[in-house]
Amino acid sequence: GESVGLHLPTLSVQEGDNSIINCAYSNSASDYFIWYKQESGKGPQFIIDIRSNMDKRQGQRVTVLLNKTVKHLSLQIAATQPGDSAVYFCAEKSNFGNEKLTFGTGTRLTIIP
Amino acid sequence: NAGVTQTPKFRVLKTGQSMTLLCAQDMNHEYMYWYRQDPGMGLRLIHYSVGEGTTAKGEVPDGYNVSRLKKQNFLLGLESAAPSQTSVYFCASSYSESGGVPQANEQFFGPGTRLTVL
Repeated sequence: GESVGLHLPTLSVQEGDNSIINCAYSNSASDYFIWYKQESGKGPQFIIDIRSNMDKRQGQRVTVLLNKTVKHLSLQIAATQPGDSAVYFCAEKSNFGNEKLTFGTGTRLTIIP
Repeated sequence: NAGVTQTPKFRVLKTGQSMTLLCAQDMNHEYMYWYRQDPGMGLRLIHYSVGEGTTAKGEVPDGYNVSRLKKQNFLLGLESAAPSQTSVYFCASSYSESGGVPQANEQFFGPGTRLTVL
């Protein structure tokens, strides 16, 4: 079946360093990918997205890389701050007229002061 | 704009009791969704709606019912709660497609409802 998984369930990074969170997906028909951030006790919050016709997209301090050959997605956070501590989810969608997202299990990022 | 709101924030039920979770959005979104989040399992789609008066099953629909009588509201019902339904429930909404092209795919999430079934 379709699945979206993460390589590492937890990640600890020193404040100020860069972090990379990885995600593998299995549905080759997926053409849209999103990264969400979820802080403790809150709902997921959109960070950045990317379409399958792109291999890189940059936002403010965040970059998403897409490698369709190996079905791999990554989120890079530059100069991490304490507020970046959260669980990060990748999600994928196949654009066949519906808006259903398939979510990964999440990676907990902890920023060490 | 309040975005997506959910009521209640917390609830404790006994096995067999029923309840309804309410989700409301003020962004005029066509699509609305109910997810459950369990430890180590990410978000799983329960039911969703692509417009007022329509609903569809998601990945884990058993034991739940939904209704979308008004565009801005999406209700999730548990007719006979079971301990396996102990979870955190999230509602989300998103734009729809126009002319076959998605206007936006970002789903906006509510703050969640923590439900415990004893």
